[in-house]
Amino acid sequence: AQSVSQHNHHVILSEAASLELGCNYSYGGTVNLFWYVQYPGQHLQLLLKYFSGDPLVKGIKGFEAEFIKSKFSFNLRKPSVQWSDTAEYFCAVNNYGQNFVFGPGTRLSVLP
Amino acid sequence: NAGVTQTPKFQVLKTGQSMTLQCAQDMNHEYMSWYRQDPGMGLRLIHYSVGAGITDQGEVPNGYNVSRSTTEDFPLRLLSAAPSQTSVYFCASSGPTNYGTDYGYTFGSGTRLTVV
Repeated sequence: AQSVSQHNHHVILSEAASLELGCNYSYGGTVNLFWYVQYPGQHLQLLLKYFSGDPLVKGIKGFEAEFIKSKFSFNLRKPSVQWSDTAEYFCAVNNYGQNFVFGPGTRLSVLP
Repeated sequence: NAGVTQTPKFQVLKTGQSMTLQCAQDMNHEYMSWYRQDPGMGLRLIHYSVGAGITDQGEVPNGYNVSRSTTEDFPLRLLSAAPSQTSVYFCASSGPTNYGTDYGYTFGSGTRLTVV
């Protein structure tokens, strides 16, 4: 069965700091990878996704993620965070014909 | 606006009561699903449907029932509420196929359920 782990439960950064959130998955076959964001009191929204091709994927709001197949990782990055990036971030994986598996989430707090 | 609509947004139930959480989408999505979100556990799949008349169990189906009589609607029924079902419930949809792979999910705004 697939599983997803996220390295940090809660990350606290100051504005303009760089961000990297870790995500690792366990599945030996081909997977599709996603990052979702949940702003306080809101539903989940898609940040970016990777299916194939260039392992560096760019998403909305300046986020990007790098797929490293050998490490089963799909880390999320942003060069300079803003207070408005305060949210919970979920990594998710699936392969065709299977449901999504979500990680436990990482809460990001950005201090102004 | 097109999207996924969930009702109610908040609900308090007594142990043993039953209720139905409503989910409707107007995007003609074939795939719909219900998740529960609990702190530190991410989202866990309760039930899903790949089209009208077809439903299947997810990771945590016990205590919940679903049906899919139309493409638009996917209600979640709690048969006899228990405190362990206190959670935030999200409905999600995706089209046209592949369990959401191609496009990701569109999520509803959630239902916060408390069982006392």
